[in-house]
Amino acid sequence: QKEVEQDPGPLSVPEGAIVSLNCTYSNSAFQYFMWYRQYSRKGPELLMYTYSSGNKEDGRFTAQVDKSSKYISLFIRDSQPSDSATYLCAMSDGTGGYQKVTFGTGTKLQVIP
Amino acid sequence: DGGITQSPKYLFRKEGQNVTLSCEQNLNHDAMYWYRQDPGQGLRLIYYSQIVNDFQKGDIAEGYSVSREKKESFPLTVTSAQKNPTAFYLCASSMGVVDTEAFFGQGTRLTVV
Repeated sequence: QKEVEQDPGPLSVPEGAIVSLNCTYSNSAFQYFMWYRQYSRKGPELLMYTYSSGNKEDGRFTAQVDKSSKYISLFIRDSQPSDSATYLCAMSDGTGGYQKVTFGTGTKLQVIP
Repeated sequence: DGGITQSPKYLFRKEGQNVTLSCEQNLNHDAMYWYRQDPGQGLRLIYYSQIVNDFQKGDIAEGYSVSREKKESFPLTVTSAQKNPTAFYLCASSMGVVDTEAFFGQGTRLTVV
């Protein structure tokens, strides 16, 4: 079993839809949770960064962490064609620096105009 | 502009040849990392460096080598011992050991022909 599981998609939605992207994990020590967006043939860029449980909102993006269920989500409201990309979740226990970050495989999202 | 520069963007290598991928950052970050990204797999750590003249193996270091002679530079050599080198290679940097936020370069696509 992988430490972090993420549905690879692809996920196709119409423009304006609410998108829900999810990851599950098995390591209960994880307490730092990140979402990266990666456009085709580009490097990932950090979208959201959350510590422990709860919600964090930034514009159209909301990150949600449920540590009791070992489940994290990224919601995108009013999705745009420019949101079409692969979204990677990443997480760590915070004790070992970035070399200890575990990445999901990524979910490919396509927003159709 | 501050950031991480990887070069070249595309690289072709004949079997049996060594090849070096360049990574330069002007963010004044102490820590630098090399990842490999393959379809259907999360980012996998090859090598990381926390400080100049020091580096550590990651999860898949076999067939790779690195150096860290300058804070700004962390080149990766893919040697002929790497059995399956065709992949997308990503360089990243972060402020320090305990930081869990990293910035990525735009990647180098290596193809063995």
